[in-house]
Amino acid sequence: KNQVEQSPQSLIILEGKNCTLQCNYTVSPFSNLRWYKQDTGRGPVSLTIMTFSENTKSNRRYTATLDADTKQSSLHITASQLSDSASYICVVSPGTYKYIFGTGTRLKVLA
Amino acid sequence: GAVVSQHPSWVICKSGTSVKIECRSLDFQATTMFWYRQFPKQSLMLMATSNEGSKATYEQGVEKDKFLINHASLTLSTLTVTSAHPEDSSFYICSARRDRENYGYTFGSGTRLTVV
Repeated sequence: KNQVEQSPQSLIILEGKNCTLQCNYTVSPFSNLRWYKQDTGRGPVSLTIMTFSENTKSNRRYTATLDADTKQSSLHITASQLSDSASYICVVSPGTYKYIFGTGTRLKVLA
Repeated sequence: GAVVSQHPSWVICKSGTSVKIECRSLDFQATTMFWYRQFPKQSLMLMATSNEGSKATYEQGVEKDKFLINHASLTLSTLTVTSAHPEDSSFYICSARRDRENYGYTFGSGTRLTVV
């Protein structure tokens, strides 16, 4: 069964600290993996997209990693800011119109 | 580029009435659009795939007669919640896909529907 699991479900950190969010998937075949940031009451915004051959991709303070062998991905946030408070969603595509969504990690950054 | 506009951003309606939500791709053509629903603290759930010029494909458990989807042009898809009830209150989000897979898909800003 195609599944995407994210951990932790929620996370609270202090401003300026780093954090890492995890995404494990069992989707097959694999086409690409995306990380989205969703602010409360808003639509998700794409942070990164990674294909099978890519191990690391950065977007400003966000760095995503992908291990296609172990079917794991992580999203590392450096020097967190209050505006990073949001839900982060991992989405895996098997290469068709299907997209398997993770349940998300809710991040809260405190001053 | 790749902007998707969703309207309205929020709506309150009486139980039993119908509500239409619009999803427009502003700077690209989208032969395929997707409609999602998100309940509080839950992940996005795909409701249906909207195909330009043809019938939408609904996910299992989604009532096609209740959630009417029309994709009459390459830049506009509409979702109509018919005879809305309080349990239909949710956050509805659309997304549109460019022709090339690597562009991924862009989400609208969502519509908060409250049925009273």
